[in-house]
Amino acid sequence: GQNIDQPTEMTATEGAIVQINCTYQTSGFNGLFWYQQHAGEAPTFLSYNVLDGLEEKGRFSSFLSRSKGYSYLLLKELQMKDSASYLCAVRGSGGYQKVTFGTGTKLQVIP
Amino acid sequence: EPEVTQTPSHQVTQMGQEVILRCVPISNHLYFYWYRQILGQKVEFLVSFYNNEISEKSEIFDDQFSVERPDGSNFTLKIRSTKLEDSAMYFCASSGDREKGNEKLFFGSGTQLSVL
Repeated sequence: GQNIDQPTEMTATEGAIVQINCTYQTSGFNGLFWYQQHAGEAPTFLSYNVLDGLEEKGRFSSFLSRSKGYSYLLLKELQMKDSASYLCAVRGSGGYQKVTFGTGTKLQVIP
Repeated sequence: EPEVTQTPSHQVTQMGQEVILRCVPISNHLYFYWYRQILGQKVEFLVSFYNNEISEKSEIFDDQFSVERPDGSNFTLKIRSTKLEDSAMYFCASSGDREKGNEKLFFGSGTQLSVL
């Protein structure tokens, strides 16, 4: 089965840096996604890590350690529009197609 | 950027009625999915579909659910006899060929299903 853990809520200040952690225990592993979801909207893709290390894309970076079952999403220069839920999701090896989502971390950016 | 399109955006139905949720995946994608999200809860996997058949399904996807790709563009989710607990946002998603590095899931904007 899949077990994905992330903090439920976080608060950070505009202009600051925030790190959202995700730990997972899965029956297999073929990659880890981060998605952003604003309330009432669809998830939108942020990053995809297959190999260990840091992937940087503008203000967003994602890190993966497969041996530790751990990932984080780093958001720099926070903006008010970054207030959203951030979803960690794992593609297992039980089926290439299935991607399992965590409960999401609701980030509130305050002035 | 290409989009996954879902219709309708909202669907209200009576308990016990059948509903069909419609999706048009991105045209060159090969893998299709349905997820649901009950208000305030996580995005839950329902089913994946590849090469005109179900490739994986969750325990939620029981005999009341079915999927179909009736033509080359549409992908539908049918709930035969809706229950109150089926009320949720239903998301369709698609992804491309893994070998081409197109693993990411593109989501439609969702259908909000309300069962009364």
